[in-house]
Amino acid sequence: SAVISQKPSRDICQRGTSLTIQCQVDSQVTMMFWYRQQPGQSLTLIATANQGSEATYESGFVIDKFPISRPNLTFSTLTVSNMSPEDSSIYLCSASPTAIFSYEQYFGPGTRLTVT
Amino acid sequence: QKEVEQDPGPLSVPEGAIVSLNCTYSNSAFQYFMWYRQYSRKGPELLMYTYSSGNKEDGRFTAQVDKSSKYISLFIRDSQPSDSATYLCALLSGYSTLTFGKGTMLLVSP
Repeated sequence: SAVISQKPSRDICQRGTSLTIQCQVDSQVTMMFWYRQQPGQSLTLIATANQGSEATYESGFVIDKFPISRPNLTFSTLTVSNMSPEDSSIYLCSASPTAIFSYEQYFGPGTRLTVT
Repeated sequence: QKEVEQDPGPLSVPEGAIVSLNCTYSNSAFQYFMWYRQYSRKGPELLMYTYSSGNKEDGRFTAQVDKSSKYISLFIRDSQPSDSATYLCALLSGYSTLTFGKGTMLLVSP
């Protein structure tokens, strides 16, 4: 298994600002993902963070709003840009050690974001 | 129709009860079926996964898949207060993309 940490654990931000969330894995992993979890809603995949190349975004999510970096096999960042109250949510990082099947995903504790 | 339907609960049971948690899905392309447990203010943790119809047992937990009915279940025997959490079903149809249910909140009272 992999142990995942996220920083910050929570933040309160003003609308129009940006926040960068960091995700650190204790071992090298092939796949890293960013999810959003809103109250009463399913965990929604934002994007797959690819090492050495641009992230792959899901429908409804764009790079200008959620730029992602993945400089190596253990670290990734997600930036929430030009925030509005609708961006208030929990943002979760996950990682999978395999490239083929990602049923085995390990999640970080999440970053609780409130935008005022 | 949503891809995955899961009753949000809450489901309240006394300690020692048998718990049944369920999801239905509409896409027959789903091949892998997972259950995650999420404690309050924590990330989800993988409990069990299976890829075939039938039952898979792990201690007090049994995952059941019926592909013909597009129905999956998680049974918890001898439930404990420490089982109180939100249980998420998750389904996989291809590489790297999990589809989650909304989760069912379970409360086990001593």
